[in-house]
Amino acid sequence: EPEVTQTPSHQVTQMGQEVILRCVPISNHLYFYWYRQILGQKVEFLVSFYNNEISEKSEIFDDQFSVERPDGSNFTLKIRSTKLEDSAMYFCASSVGAVYGYTFGSGTRLTVV
Amino acid sequence: RKEVEQDPGPFNVPEGATVAFNCTYSNSASQSFFWYRQDCRKEPKLLMSVYSSGNEDGRFTAQLNRASQYISLLIRDSKLSDSATYLCVVNMNGFQKLVFGTGTRLLVSP
Repeated sequence: EPEVTQTPSHQVTQMGQEVILRCVPISNHLYFYWYRQILGQKVEFLVSFYNNEISEKSEIFDDQFSVERPDGSNFTLKIRSTKLEDSAMYFCASSVGAVYGYTFGSGTRLTVV
Repeated sequence: RKEVEQDPGPFNVPEGATVAFNCTYSNSASQSFFWYRQDCRKEPKLLMSVYSSGNEDGRFTAQLNRASQYISLLIRDSKLSDSATYLCVVNMNGFQKLVFGTGTRLLVSP
């Protein structure tokens, strides 16, 4: 069964440092997403990406965040200057269209110290 | 009103029991509906889509009431392996994002 792959599975970083979270979506999917889940809270939408550009973003996705699809397979989330409150599980997802639901990756647990 | 609202539970049931979860959504323009399952510290996994006519997948039955903006999930003959958090998820027409409820935790005991 096709899957979404995320690396690393866990990243610890110091406050103020930049981090890049990586994802390889399912190859025939057209839409890519990042979500986050703070421990004990709900899954929150960050951004959706289609045709090499951002199609929607949430209020959480401020200037500290950026996404990129640098080649035909990878999809990355960069946080420029991490804050303590950025500590969360970050999930990448992909789909052929949201009406069909998404497939999620297993997540990157980001810990900012 | 929250976009997607669920009772957080937990629902504690014995093996073999039938359990039902409910969910309400605020936006009448919502078009697609799903139930996802999330195990502790794992990614959400699609359990089933929810169709207007209602649909069944084995022991799981999903219902949609558009007039009341209400979605339900029924699990029959609960198994220990059904213990998880069940997430109600909604997509609004014209948008690509899915909106998640906070989830309902189910604990099935022997």
